[in-house]
Amino acid sequence: QVQLVQSGAEVKKPGSSVKVSCQASGGTFDTHAITWVRQAPGQGLEWVGGIIPMFGTTKYAQKFQGRVTISADSRRTTAYMEVRTLRFEDTAVYYCARSFTGVDWYFDLWGRGTLVTVSS
Amino acid sequence: EIVLTQSPGTLSLSPGERATLSCRASHFVNSDYVAWYQQNPGQAPRLLIFGASSRATGIPDRFSGSGSGTDFTLTISRLEPEDFAVYYCQQYGSSPGTFGQGTKVEIK
Repeated sequence: QVQLVQSGAEVKKPGSSVKVSCQASGGTFDTHAITWVRQAPGQGLEWVGGIIPMFGTTKYAQKFQGRVTISADSRRTTAYMEVRTLRFEDTAVYYCARSFTGVDWYFDLWGRGTLVTVSS
Repeated sequence: EIVLTQSPGTLSLSPGERATLSCRASHFVNSDYVAWYQQNPGQAPRLLIFGASSRATGIPDRFSGSGSGTDFTLTISRLEPEDFAVYYCQQYGSSPGTFGQGTKVEIK
């Protein structure tokens, strides 16, 4: 049974960085895309960006370009998302999700989410 | 970017009733590439429907999706207690993929 296991909650100060991980356990990794979707408290879902680990290709939502970096380590079957220059409004649950055809596809498997709190 | 507008914002119904959720796109969605997700409090979204009308693995047949072009619908034929949740539509026909703002189905 494939699962996406995410790293634990983080509390960060404004202006700092955070790196969240997402490990695919029990199944293949390279043949899928991994995308990050965030959800601010009480709000809807927002597409952040994703990676196709087999090729290392990434795509980002325009608002996150230059501030977010998504990477993958195929040997560890783990994807990462780093957010720099954190702002209060980056407080959200960050989900990783799997899709079969590119980072812009529908997502059939989700991690449980990682809460990132930006607080001074 | 395609904007998805879901309506109503909240749907108040009783168990056993039929729920009809709407998702309208600001532009034509290529190949009816629309998905629907269910989200319960404190949990990750769960895929229900993809390709506008195909049920994901393990999804009960009381869930059905329909529509094309710019107007899409998720129907729950008879609400079970576990169906009271928030539902999101997503289009993945154009990049970037976008989500609607959600419809909450609550117990009346």
